[in-house]
Amino acid sequence: GQNIDQPTEMTATEGAIVQINCTYQTSGFNGLFWYQQHAGEAPTFLSYNVLDGLEEKGRFSSFLSRSKGYSYLLLKELQMKDSASYLCAVRRDGTLTFGKGTMLLVSP
Amino acid sequence: SAVISQKPSRDICQRGTSLTIQCQVDSQVTMMFWYRQQPGQSLTLIATANQGSEATYESGFVIDKFPISRPNLTFSTLTVSNMSPEDSSIYLCSDMGQFNTEAFFGQGTRLTVV
Repeated sequence: GQNIDQPTEMTATEGAIVQINCTYQTSGFNGLFWYQQHAGEAPTFLSYNVLDGLEEKGRFSSFLSRSKGYSYLLLKELQMKDSASYLCAVRRDGTLTFGKGTMLLVSP
Repeated sequence: SAVISQKPSRDICQRGTSLTIQCQVDSQVTMMFWYRQQPGQSLTLIATANQGSEATYESGFVIDKFPISRPNLTFSTLTVSNMSPEDSSIYLCSDMGQFNTEAFFGQGTRLTVV
């Protein structure tokens, strides 16, 4: 089976940096995805990691350590529109298993 | 990136009826998936839609309740059968990109069963 853990909620202020952690235990691993989901909308793809290290994409970066079963999503220069749920998902074969999501609230 | 069109976007249905949700991708994709997201919850995989063969269902989901079709590499349907209020949820289709490094979602179908 698979177990994916993320914090339930986080708060941060506009302009700051926030790191959302995700730990996983899985019998197979074929990549880790991060998604952003605003209330009432479908998830939006943010990043994909399959090798150890940091992937940077504008204000968003994602890190993976396969030996530790650990990933984080780093959001820089936070904006109000970044208030959303952030979902970590692990792929085994072709399917994705999602964590429960981290609700990020950005305040002025 | 593939564009996924899903319809209907929302519906209100009577219990005991069935609803079919359609998902169209603008390019051929190997894998398509159907997820459910119950209120306040994360996404749960219902099944993998296989082209030309029966769908592969996850534990807790059965073909009689959620029949799936995938007649070609760009289209799939999910039917929610004999609905009850517990089926009220958002249903999402997803694909896996050509190089398996991206996975995109349709806009979702918000289903309310009354």
